[in-house]
Amino acid sequence: DAKTTQPTSMDCAEGRAANLPCNHSTISGNEYVYWYRQIHSQGPQYIIHGLKNNETNEMASLIITEDRKSSTLILPHATLRDTAVYYCIGSNTGNQFYFGTGTSLTVIP
Amino acid sequence: NAGVMQNPRHLVRRRGQEARLRCSPMKGHSHVYWYRQLPEEGLKFMVYLQKENIIDESGMPKERFSAEFPKEGPSILRIQQVVRGDSAAYFCASSPPGWTPNTEAFFGQGTRLTVV
Repeated sequence: DAKTTQPTSMDCAEGRAANLPCNHSTISGNEYVYWYRQIHSQGPQYIIHGLKNNETNEMASLIITEDRKSSTLILPHATLRDTAVYYCIGSNTGNQFYFGTGTSLTVIP
Repeated sequence: NAGVMQNPRHLVRRRGQEARLRCSPMKGHSHVYWYRQLPEEGLKFMVYLQKENIIDESGMPKERFSAEFPKEGPSILRIQQVVRGDSAAYFCASSPPGWTPNTEAFFGQGTRLTVV
């Protein structure tokens, strides 16, 4: 699985878009980029994943650069409930994920 | 449709005792994954099981730890002769058969093991 690099922490004002970056320069051609989040030590929650194309669902958007060396998770209108640790993961081997330390996002009222 | 159920939620054991952690996957899911999260760290993969088979145990410590997923009943993660360093949150995830990259893993709420 590709190692990923994320900022340790970020703040975002409530109602604004939260943009969480992730570097995955060693990702291989068939590895997907997954995003999970963990709210206050609960079990991780799936957010979104993608391979090459940008993806959007009801929770977030995922923008993957053309060279696939980095991506950005976008929460379009952050709420206080989005305060969590966000993990960016590269994988093509099932759900045996390497989570890393993630980005601790704090949404500020 | 109940989610992934883990029990107990909290478990306290004295050093040298055995800890048994149980995980019931979501209905229809036959793949189970165990992760460990030490304080202030990310989750670390331990083992991947299908019914009656261990598929990948590359993250399991070589001694004292074992896992099973019998034909009937929950998956069990067993830690023998626990030590203080085993204190952590243990998470279980499940997914349906026939994994594809689009297969989402659903996590339970974890078991918090404290060794005193």
